[in-house]
Amino acid sequence: GQQLNQSPQSMFIQEGEDVSMNCTSSSIFNTWLWYKQDPGEGPVLLIALYKAGELTSNGRLTAQFGITRKDSFLNISASIPSDVGIYFCAGQQGNTPLVFGKGTRLSVIA
Amino acid sequence: KAGVTQTPRYLIKTRGQQVTLSCSPISGHRSVSWYQQTPGQGLQFLFEYFSETQRNKGNFPGRFSGRQFSNSRSEMNVSTLELGDSALYLCASSLDRTVDEKLFFGSGTQLSVL
Repeated sequence: GQQLNQSPQSMFIQEGEDVSMNCTSSSIFNTWLWYKQDPGEGPVLLIALYKAGELTSNGRLTAQFGITRKDSFLNISASIPSDVGIYFCAGQQGNTPLVFGKGTRLSVIA
Repeated sequence: KAGVTQTPRYLIKTRGQQVTLSCSPISGHRSVSWYQQTPGQGLQFLFEYFSETQRNKGNFPGRFSGRQFSNSRSEMNVSTLELGDSALYLCASSLDRTVDEKLFFGSGTQLSVL
């Protein structure tokens, strides 16, 4: 089945630093989504991308849909303590269900 | 607008028992998807319902089943529970997933099988 490789698995950064994480796939996707999950909660949608090459921002977050349609990245600028959590990428192709990466666990050191 | 509501939040069961989890989607959303989340495997797709019909099914044994009611509320059932079924079960809704893929998740039901 389809698989998403998300990296890095975990990150420890200082408050104020920028963060970058990415997802790659062996398959082409029509849609890329980025979610954040806090402990004990469900994932919350951060950004949705629908076109190859699309670059979308949501506050300090910026995500891009790769030109090959097989990858996407998420950047967080000037990280703050509340950015702590697990970030998931998800891809969708046609009418198939969303496929999720295994997540990037972000820890922010104040 | 209320979000996706899942009940109960926590469940403790023993091996061999069965369990039913409930999900109320966002008002107006007709597609409901269920995912199993474990630390090792991440989010694994269970099934998706739209207009009371199962539209997609993941690679889980037949012990896992679900249904959707006419008001779009959904339930999933796991019979003959095994230790490995311990996980966070997440429900997500969307207007119609084939048109708009954005899924909105509930807080999940944490199932522990002893």
